[in-house]
Amino acid sequence: SSELTQDPAVSVALGQTVKITCQGDSLRSYYTNWYQQRPGQAPALVIYGENNRPSGIPDRFSGSRSGGTSSLTISGAQAEDEGDYYCSSRDSGGDHAIFGGGTKVTVL
Amino acid sequence: QLQESGPGLVKPSETLSLTCSVSGDSVSSLNYYWAWIRQPPGKGLEWLGRIYYSGRTSFNPSLQSRLLSSLDTSKNEFSLQLTSVTAADTAVYFCARGSSAAGGALHVWGQGTKVTVSS
Repeated sequence: SSELTQDPAVSVALGQTVKITCQGDSLRSYYTNWYQQRPGQAPALVIYGENNRPSGIPDRFSGSRSGGTSSLTISGAQAEDEGDYYCSSRDSGGDHAIFGGGTKVTVL
Repeated sequence: QLQESGPGLVKPSETLSLTCSVSGDSVSSLNYYWAWIRQPPGKGLEWLGRIYYSGRTSFNPSLQSRLLSSLDTSKNEFSLQLTSVTAADTAVYFCARGSSAAGGALHVWGQGTKVTVSS
């Protein structure tokens, strides 16, 4: 399959931990990248290559994978972490990128 | 830094042309590829395609027949053309710089340009 499935929305209390999941067969073969999109802004990379953070991304963001499910964990969520999060990987053929449908994170 | 430019408004059946100006990097670099992504109003991200330093392109199979892309190394920019547009092509269009390393993550994004298809 060349689809990535995400839960549409999750909420987390301020300072607590939230895990966002992404399911897809291609995740077994290709790396997962995660993007954060705050309202009205362009997406920004928060995790690449399963569990690497670009410079400037807080260490409360981490990534992991088990089989065909990748996860983005925010440990100690902050108000500024609200937004939409998209996973991305490659399709089954490996030549095209695909995005999950996105998960809206609300920090209560 | 990446900066998209486009017409803002395109009529149905016409061709949409977008340009992404690159500063701080070279579109000829072997370390990167250059990508286009769009986001319809209120919806998620859709991968359109990419172009490599060599000029080789790779497009979303669902749009491949309508997409063209090119590099202009003299201006350090790359472009996208989408033919025969319809209202379904109304979206914010983003350009981005991708890493040629495993995973191909999009490390740098433009701010996006809004395109409306309407007569």
